Amino acid sequence: ETGVTQSPTHLIKTRGQQVTLRCSSQSGHNTVSWYQQALGQGPQFIFQYYREEENGRGNFPPRFSGLQFPNYSSELNVNALELDDSALYLCASSTTSGRLSETQYFGPGTRLLVL
Amino acid sequence: SQKIEQNSEALNIQEGKTATLTCNYTNYSPAYLQWYRQDPGRGPVFLLLIRENEKEKRKERLKVTFDTTLKQSLFHITASQPADSATYLCALDMDTGRRALTFGSGTRLQVQP
Repeated sequence: ETGVTQSPTHLIKTRGQQVTLRCSSQSGHNTVSWYQQALGQGPQFIFQYYREEENGRGNFPPRFSGLQFPNYSSELNVNALELDDSALYLCASSTTSGRLSETQYFGPGTRLLVL
Repeated sequence: SQKIEQNSEALNIQEGKTATLTCNYTNYSPAYLQWYRQDPGRGPVFLLLIRENEKEKRKERLKVTFDTTLKQSLFHITASQPADSATYLCALDMDTGRRALTFGSGTRLQVQP
């Protein structure tokens, strides 16, 4: 177990709704990254937070947004849900040394189904 | 942008044999390359990290090689066991300097008893 927790574990929403996913990072980690993993694919980077600031973003539209709190926990918000948003959403925490973040410690994920 | 290719075909081997998985990448050479294991419905679990100036890294039954000329990494599991059955993901640092990873789509390994 990595010490990274995510909630909820599963979620069912309908198209057009909004969803908030939560992540608690591993103790001592200051960086949180969010990934989307579709079935049969590798995780795709959504964005990353470092010391409460967004530190980079992947190829995802603005309706994907996030927050990081002073205790380094994080939220992922998705507005106007689409069917293609159905996926496993993974949170990963890490420490940042210099320019690059190294090992990522993943949580168990939240399985989102959009109907 | 960085592209990573892993064999999408499942790899089936007999218990006790060595499993070898391949990861090829395009474009720039990463500062490091990582391998993760993922079980169905679970988050990836970190296995090994190898840096660009390292040719080989070992951990127990696992061995990773990194050839920056071929732009390839090989991941070996020796004396494989049915418990090694999982999907194995290769990951590289992103080329934009972001502190995040680009993942391949993974190779599913099935070890038959």
